Amino acid sequence: DQQVKQNSPSLSVQEGRISILNCDYTNSMFDYFLWYKKYPAEGPTFLISISSIKDKNEDGRFTVFLNKSAKHLSLHIVPSQPGDSAVYFCAASDTGNTPLVFGKGTRLSVIA
Amino acid sequence: DTEVTQTPKHLVMGMTNKKSLKCEQHMGHRAMYWYKQKAKKPPELMFVYSYEKLSINESVPSRFSPECPNSSLLNLHLHALQPEDSALYLCASSQGGAIHEQYFGPGTRLTVT
Repeated sequence: DQQVKQNSPSLSVQEGRISILNCDYTNSMFDYFLWYKKYPAEGPTFLISISSIKDKNEDGRFTVFLNKSAKHLSLHIVPSQPGDSAVYFCAASDTGNTPLVFGKGTRLSVIA
Repeated sequence: DTEVTQTPKHLVMGMTNKKSLKCEQHMGHRAMYWYKQKAKKPPELMFVYSYEKLSINESVPSRFSPECPNSSLLNLHLHALQPEDSALYLCASSQGGAIHEQYFGPGTRLTVT
């Protein structure tokens, strides 16, 4: 049973526009969420995180929104750049020290 | 230094070989992880070491044997692997438990022939 779901395997966005990547989770014990970016043949790179006491966290072009009642989070990238083209993984944990649970990833392609 | 290093980058081994993957971090992180990632899939957790002790083993077959010689090093010893074990093996580290961001190494691309 998938506890973290990224239902869009891929997303294509024009350079300069907003990219919105979505993630849903089923485990109500999850209280910490992270986004990772992965280029081919490299390890995932931490991007941004949010804890359940917040509903928004912003870092430069990246903003993560959390809707706890809907068990949904999203990553907004604005403006999108060609270098943002990568696979984005959503991950979640219960801060009772359980390991991260990853979604299957969304491949973002930013077209110049 | 916010880097996790892994060696080798690529490894090809036969099913009767014994080899080891190495991981190193100098961030003072006390938790280290091994993940396995197949193409187009998310990373799958294999092992977690916390303060140099094995704290989680996700039912990994005994042909994979982790070792944490000290707080900066993590090894994965491989023996009698199967072709289906071919994957990208990722090491990660974090300050503490799950609340902390994990920093990943570049991975070792393993091919079992």
